[in-house]
Amino acid sequence: AQSVTQLGSHVSVSEGALVLLRCNYSSSVPPYLFWYVQYPNQGLQLLLKYTSAATLVKGINGFEAEFKKSETSFHLTKPSAHMSDAAEYFCAVISLQGAQKLVFGQGTRLTINP
Amino acid sequence: GAGVSQSPRYKVAKRGQDVALRCDPISGHVSLFWYQQALGQGPEFLTYFQNEAQLDKSGLPSDRFFAERPEGSVSTLKIQRTQQEDSAVYLCASSSRPGQNTGELFFGEGSRLTVL
Repeated sequence: AQSVTQLGSHVSVSEGALVLLRCNYSSSVPPYLFWYVQYPNQGLQLLLKYTSAATLVKGINGFEAEFKKSETSFHLTKPSAHMSDAAEYFCAVISLQGAQKLVFGQGTRLTINP
Repeated sequence: GAGVSQSPRYKVAKRGQDVALRCDPISGHVSLFWYQQALGQGPEFLTYFQNEAQLDKSGLPSDRFFAERPEGSVSTLKIQRTQQEDSAVYLCASSSRPGQNTGELFFGEGSRLTVL
């Protein structure tokens, strides 16, 4: 069955610093991968998605993620953190075999220090 | 409405009470999902509707959980005889695409259920 593991339940960076949120997936076939963001008191919002086209995917608010099959990873990055990036980030996977449903990781809470 | 709307936003129930959580998806969206999000965890799938048909209920944790979408728009998640382990945020999501493998879901703000 497909799954994702997010390394680090909490990440803290300074404003202006690089943001790196790690996600590794497990799937028997090349999957579709997603990052969602949840701002305080709001619903989850799609940041970006990988669906087997370009391996470097750009999303909203300056975020991007790179699909690396050899490392089974889909890490989320942003060159320069902004205070408004403080939120919970979820990596999610759909395997195109078997139970083809969206499976979420446990989430990473990103804190931005002024 | 412009987005997915859920009500109530907060619900406190005594153990053993029945609760009903409502979801108004984005107008015209054929797919509707319910997820359960425990504290500090990611959302976990409960059930999926395509229009009025409940095509997948494999994530419902027990027969105390029941969901319906009788006219293919508004959906209700009902939990009977609530237990403390039912305490969680219940998320509703919708999509304009049919099928569970779209991945591009629009989520509501959730209904936070606390069972005392």
